[in-house]
Amino acid sequence: LAKTTQPISMDSYEGQEVNITCSHNNIATNDYITWYQQFPSQGPRFIIQGYKTKVTNEVASLFIPADRKSSTLSLPRVSLSDTAVYYCLVGFKAAGNKLTFGGGTRVLVKP
Amino acid sequence: KAGVTQTPRYLIKTRGQQVTLSCSPISGHRSVSWYQQTPGQGLQFLFEYFSETQRNKGNFPGRFSGRQFSNSRSEMNVSTLELGDSALYLCASSLTRVPNEKLFFGSGTQLSVL
Repeated sequence: LAKTTQPISMDSYEGQEVNITCSHNNIATNDYITWYQQFPSQGPRFIIQGYKTKVTNEVASLFIPADRKSSTLSLPRVSLSDTAVYYCLVGFKAAGNKLTFGGGTRVLVKP
Repeated sequence: KAGVTQTPRYLIKTRGQQVTLSCSPISGHRSVSWYQQTPGQGLQFLFEYFSETQRNKGNFPGRFSGRQFSNSRSEMNVSTLELGDSALYLCASSLTRVPNEKLFFGSGTQLSVL
């Protein structure tokens, strides 16, 4: 069963690092992992995408262990404006490329 | 470059009616995919259109359909509306086909079925 699972919520404080893990047990060799950020009344916004090991861009890092059954989005030094819902997305090719989102992790950054 | 545009922003319908939602992708993007977002089920993939053909479909009944025009604009139709169809409907565009493309989402159409 193609499924992605992530924690429902987590709290943090300004300046801290936030790590959100997504489980995707049935991921196949060529399936990519993508993370999106969503604010209220807006559509999701692309954060980062990876395939294996580690990917870093100007806003986040994505860590993917060798077995690829999970991935971790890392947000360094969060600010109040990072309060949002974060979704992991896997396009399971074995399931006919059906895009499967995790349930979303609500991150609250406190001052 | 203009983003993904969805119209209308809000819609109220009654059970049994049908509804058509519109999505204009980013210029040059050839793939449009649709999603349903509800508090209970989260974000669920409906279908993807590329080159005017449906390429991929999620687990939704046949009441949910769509089409794509030659200019890549897309419409989604829901017939015989049910209360459970109340949701935020999002479309996303990408340069080429999902699943490994970066998706650009519109702000969605909030559909309320009474």
